[in-house]
Amino acid sequence: KNQVEQSPQSLIILEGKNCTLQCNYTVSPFSNLRWYKQDTGRGPVSLTIMTFSENTKSNGRYTATLDADTKQSSLHITASQLSDSASYICVVSVSYGNNRLAFGKGNQVVVIP
Amino acid sequence: GAGVSQSPSNKVTEKGKDVELRCDPISGHTALYWYRQRLGQGLEFLIYFQGNSAPDKSGLPSDRFSAERTGESVSTLTIQRTQQEDSAVYLCASSLIGGLLGNQPQHFGDGTRLSIL
Repeated sequence: KNQVEQSPQSLIILEGKNCTLQCNYTVSPFSNLRWYKQDTGRGPVSLTIMTFSENTKSNGRYTATLDADTKQSSLHITASQLSDSASYICVVSVSYGNNRLAFGKGNQVVVIP
Repeated sequence: GAGVSQSPSNKVTEKGKDVELRCDPISGHTALYWYRQRLGQGLEFLIYFQGNSAPDKSGLPSDRFSAERTGESVSTLTIQRTQQEDSAVYLCASSLIGGLLGNQPQHFGDGTRLSIL
């Protein structure tokens, strides 16, 4: 079973609308949680990084939340733009010193005009 | 350029051939990572280099896979006797401080898309 589960797998939204992507993880012990944006044919780009003590972090129109008790995170996209069409990947860092990240499979978002 | 550079961007080769993939990290980044991304799947960790320390090779899927890094610069990932299941995008990333326990972001290259015929 994957240690990081993301939902929905794919999502189509109208330009200008908001959307929320979910990430549930089972990784323990936990160090930090990251959200990346991956455009088609490109490498992932870091959006946010949160430690267990942080509940929310924003990067422009992207806002990530974290509930370390329930092991859930969300990424909220506000006023979506066509350029937001991408895969959004949730990544959890395992805090036992082997420098390992657990990657979700991504939420595929398509923004249509 | 200022980002992580990978070459070639695409590679098509016949089953059984050896391939070598190259990664130029961001200057000054001591940590370098290789990942494999199969279609529709999450990234799989392959290998991690941190400065002059022994690399963490625990993610390499078989002895056909190997990687080298010269100091804190270029890294090459070599796949010998390629198989069709090796077809994937191979991504390289670097970061300022080694260790993913901290809050340093990884900077990814755009990957090498490898296709084994």
